[in-house]
Amino acid sequence: NAGVMQNPRHLVRRRGQEARLRCSPMKGHSHVYWYRQLPEEGLKFMVYLQKENIIDESGMPKERFSAEFPKEGPSILRIQQVVRGDSAAYFCASSSDRQETQYFGPGTRLLVL
Amino acid sequence: DQQVKQNSPSLSVQEGRISILNCDYTNSMFDYFLWYKKYPAEGPTFLISISSIKDKNEDGRFTVFLNKSAKHLSLHIVPSQPGDSAVYFCAAQIRSGTYKYIFGTGTRLKVLA
Repeated sequence: NAGVMQNPRHLVRRRGQEARLRCSPMKGHSHVYWYRQLPEEGLKFMVYLQKENIIDESGMPKERFSAEFPKEGPSILRIQQVVRGDSAAYFCASSSDRQETQYFGPGTRLLVL
Repeated sequence: DQQVKQNSPSLSVQEGRISILNCDYTNSMFDYFLWYKKYPAEGPTFLISISSIKDKNEDGRFTVFLNKSAKHLSLHIVPSQPGDSAVYFCAAQIRSGTYKYIFGTGTRLKVLA
């Protein structure tokens, strides 16, 4: 029973490029949460999605960031025109229902040069 | 505004002794609390949780205590083992709406052999 998968595990981008982070939830899970961890900080909520719907994006910056969770395929967190301040670890979590425990993937470490 | 605080960034404990990790919160609307353990370069792993209607929950070597009047929870690990060395995050949740987690900044536990 595979856990939450994220790829790539490491991503290096130059300022102004686009970053695409992918998350495949655990089998049977249709709820996906994205969190960001800046150096020396805790994880901060970004966005919550169910299949084909964004439920809560209150933690996501208004510009350059977007997320989707299509009917087929992984959830994607997209960052356009990356800046150095976007360098962080991005974690995806999934649950079978919003009341259930969230299980985290290994994260994608984004480095913006 | 840090709603969940872990005021001890690090803690060292001798193998076999008790580890006590603390967490304080400010939002009285939180009604569910969780502890996650995180190793370097991995995602957080769920450890134990507690509902606000309880004051204690136990699972093997791990016990979580909740003091609602003080808005304080703690994680006890007895006996501590070298494999417990990791960063521990507490998280709080409001069991309505999006059920997102609000994380503390983490405490790095080192168990000395």
